[in-house]
Amino acid sequence: EPEVTQTPSHQVTQMGQEVILRCVPISNHLYFYWYRQILGQKVEFLVSFYNNEISEKSEIFDDQFSVERPDGSNFTLKIRSTKLEDSAMYFCASRGAGAYNEQFFGPGTRLTVL
Amino acid sequence: GEDVEQSLFLSVREGDSSVINCTYTDSSSTYLYWYKQEPGAGLQLLTYIFSNMDMKQDQRLTVLLNKKDKHLSLRIADTQTGDSAIYFCAARRENYQLIWGAGTKLIIKP
Repeated sequence: EPEVTQTPSHQVTQMGQEVILRCVPISNHLYFYWYRQILGQKVEFLVSFYNNEISEKSEIFDDQFSVERPDGSNFTLKIRSTKLEDSAMYFCASRGAGAYNEQFFGPGTRLTVL
Repeated sequence: GEDVEQSLFLSVREGDSSVINCTYTDSSSTYLYWYKQEPGAGLQLLTYIFSNMDMKQDQRLTVLLNKKDKHLSLRIADTQTGDSAIYFCAARRENYQLIWGAGTKLIIKP
């Protein structure tokens, strides 16, 4: 069964460093998402991406964040200068086109900023 | 803004039924979802219901939707230890974004 994969599963970084979180969506999916979940809090929408551009972004997704689909298979989330409060679980999701299309989630990347 | 609320904990005895409740505010939500998250794992879609339905059953899972009250519930029959997890309710907005509840931790007592 096709699935969304994410790497790494856990990333530890120093405050101020850049991180890139990687996702491989399901191959025929067209819409891509990043969500984050700070420990003990709700899952929050960050950004949606379609046709090589951002469709929507939340207020969390500021200038420190960027997304890219560099090669037609990977979908990346970059945080330019990490802050302590960026520590969270980051989930990638993808969905296909069609009237009903659920989002399939990856297993998440746990980001720890020290 | 839109919100989804659920209680944080539910404790049940093994073999009993678990009922996890959720309320949402966005009346235009077309799909409502239940996701399961086991410790250290990702978000697994358990089931969903379309807003024009009031009930959906899938093996041990029953979803009830009261659209008038914007209330959703997930019933797990014959709860097993493997059902221990956090259960998230999520409402899909018209733009396909998911609005999430805080999750209900299901604790199974032997």
